[in-house]
Amino acid sequence: NSKVIQTPRYLVKGQGQKAKMRCIPEKGHPVVFWYQQNKNNEFKFLINFQNQEVLQQIDMTEKRFSAECPSNSPCSLEIQSSEAGDSALYLCASSLWGEGSYEQYFGPGTRLTVL
Amino acid sequence: GDSVTQTEGLVTLTEGLPVMLNCTYQTIYSNPFLFWYVQHLNESPRLLLKSFTDNKRTEHQGFHATLHKSSSSFHLQKSSAQLSDSALYYCALNNYAQGLTFGLGTRVSVFP
Repeated sequence: NSKVIQTPRYLVKGQGQKAKMRCIPEKGHPVVFWYQQNKNNEFKFLINFQNQEVLQQIDMTEKRFSAECPSNSPCSLEIQSSEAGDSALYLCASSLWGEGSYEQYFGPGTRLTVL
Repeated sequence: GDSVTQTEGLVTLTEGLPVMLNCTYQTIYSNPFLFWYVQHLNESPRLLLKSFTDNKRTEHQGFHATLHKSSSSFHLQKSSAQLSDSALYYCALNNYAQGLTFGLGTRVSVFP
């Protein structure tokens, strides 16, 4: 079972408001990923980190989304100005990425509703 | 970029019958990592199977799949479906520490 912790489980925001969600990766996992799963259950990769450094991010993330994984603190994903189209399930995953273990383990997700 | 194509839409079957979900992929990398995730209603994806070894069968919880690099395939099979297997199934691919590329998902509904 996954030990990735995500908070809050549900988040309701108005358009234009900030929305922030947090993730604690599984202990010992240096790589963290954020995904968006839309109402059609399609996944979109947003950004990933290795320790505190960004490895890869998509264009959408560079504009209204900000994310960080500070040392000794939860990782976070923040939408600066929420739009209706941002309503989705936001999933955090972590990975050991090494020693024969390359799979990602998902947290329970934060379901964002933008009114 | 990478892409994953899997059995589309809804697969309905009777409990006890076999199930097979197709998955093919495209990538420029010669050593991709392939995964099957299962997502039950109101839950997050849970890892079901993983492979990065060509022609080696991997098994878990009655499901099995074999990565065939020659045909870029990683089909999921189970010999006898159970009611509890009703869920969304995703085939996914990645390379190194990149984000996963998911297929569009297959919804499996098992009836008594």
